Amino acid sequence: NAGVTQTPKFQVLKTGQSMTLQCAQDMNHEYMSWYRQDPGMGLRLIHYSVGAGITDQGEVPNGYNVSRSTTEDFPLRLLSAAPSQTSVYFCASKPSGSQETQYFGPGTRLLVL
Amino acid sequence: GQSLEQPSEVTAVEGAIVQINCTYQTSGFYGLSWYQQHDGGAPTFLSYNALDGLEETGRFSSFLSRSDSYGYLLLQELQMKDSASYFCALGNYGQNFVFGPGTRLSVLP
Repeated sequence: NAGVTQTPKFQVLKTGQSMTLQCAQDMNHEYMSWYRQDPGMGLRLIHYSVGAGITDQGEVPNGYNVSRSTTEDFPLRLLSAAPSQTSVYFCASKPSGSQETQYFGPGTRLLVL
Repeated sequence: GQSLEQPSEVTAVEGAIVQINCTYQTSGFYGLSWYQQHDGGAPTFLSYNALDGLEETGRFSSFLSRSDSYGYLLLQELQMKDSASYFCALGNYGQNFVFGPGTRLSVLP
């Protein structure tokens, strides 16, 4: 199993550009989520999904869109990038019945100029 | 809302025992988790408490007291590779999670 994979590893955007961060998992987990982590800080939840077709907002959803058309994939879309969205983005997944372990992807480092 | 507090930095020597505290404010939650993150890496799960008391997983143990709104992670027989950031996280009934700001642990030889 590859676990949770994220692409790209690193991206530079100009202010106003849009892009999609990809996240995929091969563990058949119902739950998937997106976090951002700013330097020296904890992880803040952006959006999450408890299954295909179901998404919900986390703590910092503004400026981001998500959709969940399959169990495996959970892309995060930046509609119009802003310098404040410069961050490291982590995708995570877990079985819905578990409150314990979340499995994190390797992260995408995003720089918005 | 929910909030968690952790010390920003902790330093200890190799072979020692260190405790990383986590205090929280919330009206309700399912459990408290702990994650480790090395510089440039992804968070990895360490331990979880749904009930009050101590959970032991090898060199790592975690404790929860709901009445005191307090938990801690205990690391024994510290090794250099334990130098990392450690995060506590509240898991909610709505399946969302709130993470603490993290504690940077430095293990000295």
